[in-house]
Amino acid sequence: DVVLTQTPPTLSATIGQSVSISCRSSQSLLHSNGNTYLHWLLQRPGQSPQLLIYLVSRLESGVPNRFSGSGSGTDFTLKISGVEAEDLGVYYCVQGTHALTFGSGTKLEIK
Amino acid sequence: EVQLVESGGGLVQPGRSMKLSCAASGFTFSNYGMAWVRQAPTKGLEWVATISYDGSSTYYRDSVKGRFTISRDNAKSTLYLQMNSLRSEDTATYYCTRGSYWGQGVMVTVSS
Repeated sequence: DVVLTQTPPTLSATIGQSVSISCRSSQSLLHSNGNTYLHWLLQRPGQSPQLLIYLVSRLESGVPNRFSGSGSGTDFTLKISGVEAEDLGVYYCVQGTHALTFGSGTKLEIK
Repeated sequence: EVQLVESGGGLVQPGRSMKLSCAASGFTFSNYGMAWVRQAPTKGLEWVATISYDGSSTYYRDSVKGRFTISRDNAKSTLYLQMNSLRSEDTATYYCTRGSYWGQGVMVTVSS
C-alpha cells in the first residue's frame, strides 16, 4: 500500500507568513496515463474536507491563488503564500494513483 | 449547486449491521465514480471504498473487505454503504465524496 508522509505535523504561522507542507509518497504517483493523482485538502475545524489543489498543481475553482502545489514522482509540496486567518485547519495530501490514501495531516495554527 | 447528503448513521451494537445513504444533487451522478471516506474521532481521514460511475467496479480497504458493500442507484442519484459485522474500530464519521465535493458526514458509533 502507498504511504504518504506529511511534514510537519503541526505548523504555527503569523498572518501574512508564507508556509510549506511536504508530502512524500512511498511509491511514484505517476500513473501510466501520464497523470499524477496527488491532491490537497483542507479540513477546517468542525467542517468537511474541501479540495484545494488537484493533480499536483491545479487550483480548484474558488480557492484563493495564495495556495499553490508543486512536485512530481514521490515528493510534493503545498505552499501558502501569505497565510490568512481562515486558513487554519488540517491539511491533507491524498493520492488516487494507487487506490486512495491520505497523508496523516498537518495542523496549521495561527499565532 | 452540488450537494451530497449522508444519512443512516447512529448507534449500533458490535456485530450488527447498518446502511448509509448519500443523496446526490446538482450534477449528473451517473457520470462520476464515488467514494466513502471515514474519520475516527480526533483522527485523520481514511478511505473506505470506491465505486465506478456505473457500479461495475468496486474497491475496498482491507479492513472492511467482506463486511462492507458499496453500491449505487443512478436512477435515484444515491450512493450506499452497507456495513455488516460492525466493530468498535468502525466508529467514525463517514463522508460521501466525489473528490471535489464532500458531504457533511454522518456519525456511526459502534458500541454495546
